[in-house]
Amino acid sequence: QSVLTQPPSASGTPRQRVTISCSGSSSNIGRNFVYWYQQLPGTAPKLLIYRNNQRSSGVPDRFSGSKSGTSASLAISGLRSEDEADYYCASWDDSLSAVLFGEGTKLTVL
Amino acid sequence: QVQLQQRGAGLLKPSETLSLTCAVSGGSFSGYYWTWIRQPPGKGLEWLGEINHSGGTTYSPSLKSRVTISLETPKNRFSLRLTSITAADTAVYYCARGSGVAAVPFYTYWGQGSLVIVSS
Repeated sequence: QSVLTQPPSASGTPRQRVTISCSGSSSNIGRNFVYWYQQLPGTAPKLLIYRNNQRSSGVPDRFSGSKSGTSASLAISGLRSEDEADYYCASWDDSLSAVLFGEGTKLTVL
Repeated sequence: QVQLQQRGAGLLKPSETLSLTCAVSGGSFSGYYWTWIRQPPGKGLEWLGEINHSGGTTYSPSLKSRVTISLETPKNRFSLRLTSITAADTAVYYCARGSGVAAVPFYTYWGQGSLVIVSS
């Protein structure tokens, strides 16, 4: 059902900067805030970014979010091995009247 | 510290009803939206629905005919009920606390997750 499109995978080396995209439409990202979650293996998701670009409590400033039109991005700078996880974007969809999650992006730190 | 503790059955048969509860401790129960989210094995997150402290609900359109979320306010608990389950409902089910505003995927507290397997 997801209409928030993310790349299935992303990778980078330590200290590198990577970005993960999230593409939606005018009924979701175009009108509503975007949220980003990090999920480590076997654990519940953790809120990283809310309202497009606000870092959740305790999240390092290496993580940043942005939004433009119907797309959003999560950037991770100074990549570290512990950043290896699945990342999901989320937004409310006015047409579906539902919260949508992106399909998820698996980040590998090489 | 807010904690969400999930309870419920792990192995169910097709056509049965899935029931899970989420007990909230360490914080206020009123003033927030309470949510259920699931994740099939190896797949992404799916929002099932939410309920506010007054009992108002919003459900995923794809599951609306089968899902019910309810409150047990005196016990600081909320529950998920999913009827006529099939193998496609096999997933880890999470409860989560939302914000004080509807329709916002702002989930800062999560339950530990409950693996539900549907198999004959």
